[in-house]
Amino acid sequence: KAGVTQTPRYLIKTRGQQVTLSCSPISGHRSVSWYQQTPGQGLQFLFEYFSETQRNKGNFPGRFSGRQFSNSRSEMNVSTLELGDSALYLCASSLEVGAGYNEQFFGPGTRLTVL
Amino acid sequence: GIQVEQSPPDLILQEGANSTLRCNFSDSVNNLQWFHQNPWGQLINLFYIPSGTKQNGRLSATTVATERYSLLYISSSQTTDSGVYFCAANYGGSQGNLIFGKGTKLSVKP
Repeated sequence: KAGVTQTPRYLIKTRGQQVTLSCSPISGHRSVSWYQQTPGQGLQFLFEYFSETQRNKGNFPGRFSGRQFSNSRSEMNVSTLELGDSALYLCASSLEVGAGYNEQFFGPGTRLTVL
Repeated sequence: GIQVEQSPPDLILQEGANSTLRCNFSDSVNNLQWFHQNPWGQLINLFYIPSGTKQNGRLSATTVATERYSLLYISSSQTTDSGVYFCAANYGGSQGNLIFGKGTKLSVKP
């Protein structure tokens, strides 16, 4: 079974532009979460989608948004990019079998550089 | 706020040595996971262990939920064990929100 895939793997943008990142979860997984990793702040939760609905959101500005499609694939969008948005963006999916079980599996990440 | 704290932040070992990494969490957890981040940034699942003990080859983990800590044991370390180890906890509500510790950077010298 294929793992979580993310595209693109690397991206270079300039300040003020916007960017869209894509994540395809493991087949059958319905929950997709996004995380940002920076040297200064570490790994931080962005948001989570389940059955096309945003279920939880981290403490990030409204420039960060996402969505999930009916096939569970998810995209996140960052508008008006700032230098501080340079980071590794990781996507994770989980199966959620029964109450409480929620092991998350991560994709390889998209490394975004903002110039 | 809810916190996940890992220690030590850095660890240098000679190949063949054993090590113990610790993760403390500030509240009762629903889920707890250990990851190894490879040099390319991908998080590799090591253990899903909200409570109890699990073993996988040279690695084992124990979570004592009532005392709010988890331990990752690495025995007979190899240079390929080098990297950053993270623990992450989920505290309920939405299950997709993992709170990560700052990691332990392990360097295994030949």
